[in-house]
Amino acid sequence: DTAVSQTPKYLVTQMGNDKSIKCEQNLGHDTMYWYKQDSKKFLKIMFSYNNKELIINETVPNRFSPKSPDKAHLNLHINSLELGDSAVYFCASGTSGRTIMGELFFGEGSRLTVL
Amino acid sequence: AQSVSQHNHHVILSEAASLELGCNYSYGGTVNLFWYVQYPGQHLQLLLKYFSGDPLVKGIKGFEAEFIKSKFSFNLRKPSVQWSDTAEYFCAVNARQGSSNTGKLIFGQGTTLQVKP
Repeated sequence: DTAVSQTPKYLVTQMGNDKSIKCEQNLGHDTMYWYKQDSKKFLKIMFSYNNKELIINETVPNRFSPKSPDKAHLNLHINSLELGDSAVYFCASGTSGRTIMGELFFGEGSRLTVL
Repeated sequence: AQSVSQHNHHVILSEAASLELGCNYSYGGTVNLFWYVQYPGQHLQLLLKYFSGDPLVKGIKGFEAEFIKSKFSFNLRKPSVQWSDTAEYFCAVNARQGSSNTGKLIFGQGTTLQVKP
C-alpha cells in the first residue's frame, strides 16, 4: 500500500517527444511537489501544489507543465524533451502550514532518459 | 537566496567507525531542518528533523543531529556505523520569510556514505 506512487518508474524516449509522469498520494496531504534529481544527485524543487493550486514554480522551462486534477494527484507533462531533461523526477507530498513545514514523503522516483 | 552546503561528498568508513556529516545553511531567519536518507534504489526517507527546542535531535537507526544556530550548522552523527548505513544522505532546510513558511524544502548536494564490512 504505497503512500506516494509514481508511474512510470523508468522512461526512455527520443529527443523532441512529449511524455508524462503521474503521481498519486494516499496520505491525505494537502501539498504535493515535483523535484528533479540530476546526475550528481542534486535535488531541486520544480513545482508545488497546495489543494490543487500552484504555489511554487521555480525557474523551470515552459516545456514542463504540472497538472493537479485533485489534491491526491500531481502529474508532470514535458513537451519537446531535450537531452538535459534526463534525470530522476521525484514526487513528494506533505502538509505545509502557514508557519511550519512538515516532513515530506517521497515517491520512488521516475528515471527519465532522453536519447 | 537560501542555500545548503554539505562539505563531504563521499565518505568511506569501516563498520563500527563513528560518523559525522557536515551541513551548513545560509539563511539568517528561522529555519526547519531535516536529514533525509536514500538507500540504493529507494526513495528518500526522513532520518530526523529539527523545528524548535532541544538543539540535539535524535532520529531513527541511532542517528542524531545538532543544531548550532551561531554556526548555521546541522551536522549528522552516528557513534557506530553499520554496513546497512551505506546510502546517500541529504540535509535540507525549510526557510521562512518573516513568520511565514515559504513551503520550499531546499536540499544540499548530498553525501555518499560507503561503509565497508
